[in-house]
Amino acid sequence: AQTVTQSQPEMSVQEAETVTLSCTYDTSESDYYLFWYKQPPSRQMILVIRQEAYKQQNATENRFSVNFQKAAKSFSLKISDSQLGDAAMYFCAYRSPYGQGAQKLVFGQGTRLTINP
Amino acid sequence: DAGITQSPRHKVTETGTPVTLRCHQTENHRYMYWYRQDPGHGLRLIHYSYGVKDTDKGEVSDGYSVSRSKTEDFLLTLESATSSQTSVYFCAIRQNPRNNEQFFGPGTRLTVL
Repeated sequence: AQTVTQSQPEMSVQEAETVTLSCTYDTSESDYYLFWYKQPPSRQMILVIRQEAYKQQNATENRFSVNFQKAAKSFSLKISDSQLGDAAMYFCAYRSPYGQGAQKLVFGQGTRLTINP
Repeated sequence: DAGITQSPRHKVTETGTPVTLRCHQTENHRYMYWYRQDPGHGLRLIHYSYGVKDTDKGEVSDGYSVSRSKTEDFLLTLESATSSQTSVYFCAIRQNPRNNEQFFGPGTRLTVL
């Protein structure tokens, strides 16, 4: 079974600076999807960015980008020019491409990000 | 906004009572999911549905049942609530069939005393 690990329970960064959140995963599959979700205090789960494993290019969405290292099974999220509104819990998630595993997202434990003004 | 609502948003109940949580969507998505969120575990899949009357178990399905009699509604039932089922429950829909991109409802906080 696939597992996702976020080794940083909490992170903090100064406003306007850059922060990187770590995520590693364990899988024997060669093709899969990876996601980062943000959960602000409102509790709403918000999709931040997605990456398809067969794509070499790292995904980017405005100030959010990923560093996808397939061989190392690493999928870190970089937030540039951090803003107060980025303060939230961030979850890394994995999805298999086939079978019943394709019907669920496997989540990491989450990293709580604090932005210091 | 994927048009997902959950009801109730908060509920406090006692051990042994039945509880039903409702997820409602307005966009006719085929796939719907129930997750629970607990500290240190992220979100874990309870059950999912791939159509009316078509459901399957997730990784933490014990103690839960689901029903889907209409496309727009997916119900999660705790037949006899236990304190270990105190959690935040999220419903999700699959908006992008190709990559299983899921969008979540606002969540229901359930406390079982």
